[in-house]
Parts: sequence; structure tokens; C-alpha cells
Amino acid sequence: DTGVSQNPRHKITKRGQNVTFRCDPISEHNRLYWYRQTLGQGPEFLTYFQNEAQLEKSRLLSDRFSAERPKGSFSTLEIQRTEQGDSAMYLCASSLYDLSYNEQFFGPGTRLTVL
Amino acid sequence: QKEVEQNSGPLSVPEGAIASLNCTYSDRGSQSFFWYRQYSGKSPELIMFIYSNGDKEDGRFTAQLNKASQYVSLLIRDSQPSDSATYLCAVRGAGTASKLTFGTGTRLQVTL
Repeated sequence: DTGVSQNPRHKITKRGQNVTFRCDPISEHNRLYWYRQTLGQGPEFLTYFQNEAQLEKSRLLSDRFSAERPKGSFSTLEIQRTEQGDSAMYLCASSLYDLSYNEQFFGPGTRLTVL
Repeated sequence: QKEVEQNSGPLSVPEGAIASLNCTYSDRGSQSFFWYRQYSGKSPELIMFIYSNGDKEDGRFTAQLNKASQYVSLLIRDSQPSDSATYLCAVRGAGTASKLTFGTGTRLQVTL
């Protein structure tokens, strides 16, 4: 399978715990994005990387959230001290940098439930 | 005003009919526009993108863009029950902006 992969697919945690999600982009893609989607809403942008550099972070990304892409390949998104409001689908997407189109392809997502 | 607006629906069309999905956006400098399909519980799947005014056709799908009116639409011809899903409109902003801003999606129901 050459698409975007995400692990785990589901995560249930208790409030206050830390969680980490992983995303493996399409192999030749140099841009990687994290979005969050709650029920009835469209995906909301969190952050993105070009290679290993984090180029933009949303105001939604509080100091409890951190993302890394250390070698410009896979990325991790960590949420510290989870809150019930963090319950959502966390989506990763990747693209090949292009000035005109920037088609982004999504992985299957990680569904987080905070109890 | 939301940056990307869509009617949440549901939009109900009979099998074989044309479904018309609409989206308006507020950033006049937006450069490219995307339609994603999302089945319940699944992640968004890219259907089409468009960046020039006019129509772009791909199989049963036609995307239409009118930058002066800040309006983009998706037509689905010969609608099938398998087209029943939520359709998300996404917009890439001006300049070197890379993130996509999504609407809330329109739920399409194709009835037998």
C-alpha cells in the first residue's frame, strides 16, 4: 500500500494522559499536514512540515500539542495532558510541493476518545 | 462570515439525476480549490481540484469555478447510491500558503 498510513487507528485514553500518533506519508511527498476533525465539521488545519521543517502552526495547536518530523519522513503528533475536548479524528495528509496545486492526500485517521 | 461555506444538507437526489453541490469562499486571493468525498467514519478522499475559471470535467464529475463570484461547485452526473456521502469543499489561500481551509461539508443522499 503506497498511501498515507496512520497509527494507531483508534485510541481511547483517560483525561490527563499523554498520547502520541504516527503518520507515514506517501514516500515521495515532502509536505506533511496534520488536521483535526470533529463530528459535523470539516477538517481543521493544525500544522504542516516541509521535509523536517515545521512551517506553520495553527492557533488551535495549544502548548499541549507538539508535532515532529525528525528526518523528513514520518511524523508524530503528541498531545500532553489530554482533555475531553481533544476527542476527535486526527488526520494526516501529504503532498508533493507544487506552487499551483498542492493536492493533499489523507490517511485513514486516528480516532481519539478521551474519557 | 465563515471562510468556506457550504449548505450542510442533506441534499437528496434520485438515482440517475444530477447532483449540484455549491461552495462559496471569502478570501479573494485563494488560488486552488478542491472537492473531497467523505464516507461516514472514513477519511476524506480527493475527487477533483480546479484552479482556473470555468469548468473541469473528470468522468461523471464536473467542477466549476467563478473567482469573480467567489463560488465553486461540483456536479455529479448519473448519481449512484454509492455517491451518497459528505462532500467537502477545500480552499488553498493566496501566495505560498499551503494549508487547506475546509467547509463543513454537504451530505448527499442518492435515493433509489
